[in-house]
Amino acid sequence: EVQLLESGGGLVQPGGSLRLSCAASGFTFSSYAMSWVRQAPGKGLEWVSTASGSDGSTYYADSVKGRFTISRDNSRNTVYLQMNTLRAEDTAIFYCAKDGGLGGGVLDVWGQGTTVTVSS
Amino acid sequence: EIVMAQSPATLSVSPGERATLSCRASQTINRNLAWYQQKPGQAPRVLIYGASARATGIPARFSGSASGTEFTLTISSLQSEDFAVYYCQQYNNWPRTFGQGTKVEIK
Repeated sequence: EVQLLESGGGLVQPGGSLRLSCAASGFTFSSYAMSWVRQAPGKGLEWVSTASGSDGSTYYADSVKGRFTISRDNSRNTVYLQMNTLRAEDTAIFYCAKDGGLGGGVLDVWGQGTTVTVSS
Repeated sequence: EIVMAQSPATLSVSPGERATLSCRASQTINRNLAWYQQKPGQAPRVLIYGASARATGIPARFSGSASGTEFTLTISSLQSEDFAVYYCQQYNNWPRTFGQGTKVEIK
């Protein structure tokens, strides 16, 4: 069974940092891109970042560029999102998603999400 | 950035009726469009990709179509489990972008 399990969310002060992790199982991790998508309270979905399977390419939304860094460890089947200089507007549920199982860019498997709250 | 505009924001439908949801892209995205369903407290799940292909396990009452930059998700006969929020997403260009969502509620 394909599964994604996020962790690392929590309460952090503005300007602080947090690292999210997403552990994958049930598929050949290195063959697929992995993405992070967030959802602010009561709002819609916002794509955040994508890391390609094995060529090292990464992509970011303008809203997080320069503050967030996506990385992956294919030996551990895990993708990470390092979030620095956090702002109140970063408060959201962060989902990781498998990208490309139905074509590049289609998010075909999602984790259950981890909640990030940025507040003093 | 490609803007995805969904309409209507809320759709009130009776069980058994047809629901038609629209999504317009601000520029051409070919057929690189997916539809997702999200129920309260749950992660989204993909319904349609490539504008009209159903993902594995998605019932045949869900269908997608495209005409230029206009995309449609049709639910032919709404079941109780279909009341949810639906998002379109383009994956033709970076950054990936979602529509703002259409909430399908019980009339």
